[in-house]
Amino acid sequence: EIVMTQSPATLSVSPGERATLSCRASQSLSSNLAWYQQKPGQAPRLLIYGASTRATGIPARFSGSGSGTEFTLTISSLQSEDFAVYYCHQYNNWPLWTFGQGTKVEIK
Amino acid sequence: QVQLQESGPGLVKPSETLSLTCAVSGYSIISGYYWGWIRQSPGKGPQWIGSIFHSGSTYYHPSLKSRVTMLVDTSKNQFSLNLTSVTAADTAVYYCARHYGDYPPDYWGQGTLVTVSS
Repeated sequence: EIVMTQSPATLSVSPGERATLSCRASQSLSSNLAWYQQKPGQAPRLLIYGASTRATGIPARFSGSGSGTEFTLTISSLQSEDFAVYYCHQYNNWPLWTFGQGTKVEIK
Repeated sequence: QVQLQESGPGLVKPSETLSLTCAVSGYSIISGYYWGWIRQSPGKGPQWIGSIFHSGSTYYHPSLKSRVTMLVDTSKNQFSLNLTSVTAADTAVYYCARHYGDYPPDYWGQGTLVTVSS
């Protein structure tokens, strides 16, 4: 099973600032990596797939990068609605999909 | 607008069977997508349980394979999950979701909390 490790566990950021979240895979994923946003009591929302392709309707302030085992999600200028938990998800090893443990982005 | 809605008991006794249904609206379940179940224990990341295609082909996570059964009912545009011999470790929010082949899921249900307790 591919283990996904996210860092940091919690990120404190002021509105308007940039947030950078990291995700590391225990083996190479090529670009088969997605990012999700989850708010309390809600289902995860797909932000990024293919490591860097924004899903439909996702604002341009969200960007993804990386390949292989190291990936990054960047939120260029945090808005109030962006404070949430973010998960990375590897879909390289179907059907043995796995998710990271999440990074909570909180207001500083 | 694609919508998925989970339903089923919120409380299941240890050793019994957890049964959930996911009703799909706004999209035909036979139109080429896979339909999956994912769970999330409190404070943890999601865990993939498995997926089913409208033909009935199933793909289960190896760690749960011996206890999981998924079925599809094309006449009702819904699919289901059965998880046998549950323990407290199966307590989680259970989500149903849609995905295209081996691409990540794009639409999810709102989730339903299932607690395993006597």
